[in-house]
Amino acid sequence: DAGVTQSPTHLIKTRGQQVTLRCSPKSGHDTVSWYQQALGQGPQFIFQYYEEEERQRGNFPDRFSGHQFPNYSSELNVNALWLGDSALYLCASSIHGTSGRMGTDTQYFGPGTRLTVL
Amino acid sequence: RKEVEQDPGPFNVPEGATVAFNCTYSNSASQSFFWYRQDCRKEPKLLMSVYSSGNEDGRFTAQLNRASQYISLLIRDSKLSDSATYLCVVTGNTGGFKTIFGAGTRLFVKA
Repeated sequence: DAGVTQSPTHLIKTRGQQVTLRCSPKSGHDTVSWYQQALGQGPQFIFQYYEEEERQRGNFPDRFSGHQFPNYSSELNVNALWLGDSALYLCASSIHGTSGRMGTDTQYFGPGTRLTVL
Repeated sequence: RKEVEQDPGPFNVPEGATVAFNCTYSNSASQSFFWYRQDCRKEPKLLMSVYSSGNEDGRFTAQLNRASQYISLLIRDSKLSDSATYLCVVTGNTGGFKTIFGAGTRLFVKA
């Protein structure tokens, strides 16, 4: 049973560039959430996708956008990169509705993509 | 005030010690609670869910006090392999509430 997978594992970009990160959820999962984790901090919620729509969003600017595909995989896009975007980007998958309440289901994390912006 | 606050740590304990982590949350509409463990440069891994009735899994016990908006994690008989960062997670969906992670508490278990 494959867990959550993410690609690439590492990425180096320069300021102003754009980046796309990819995530495949755990088998049987239909919901994908994205998080940004800066060094020494807990993960910060970016947004969550279910049924190919953004369902919840954290306090991140519109430079952060995403997409979910019919096979439940997801992409995170970040435009106009700046130095502060350097972080570990984590994808988590879950099964919608297992807790009975949207957004509160148990999440399983992928290994993350480490983005460095120079 | 942060929405989820944890003990700042780090905690340095000898093998065999009992260690307790504390976490408080500010949103009374919070609905689900979890403890995750994160090893250095790895992803967070679910340790256990937290229920008002308490939840025990081997050496680990989690408790939730909704009235005080407080969550705890107790580790008994600490092992070297317990060394990690422990993250408190609070979720909800009322009023646009999201999944909120605490900053984590680092634990070092020494021989």
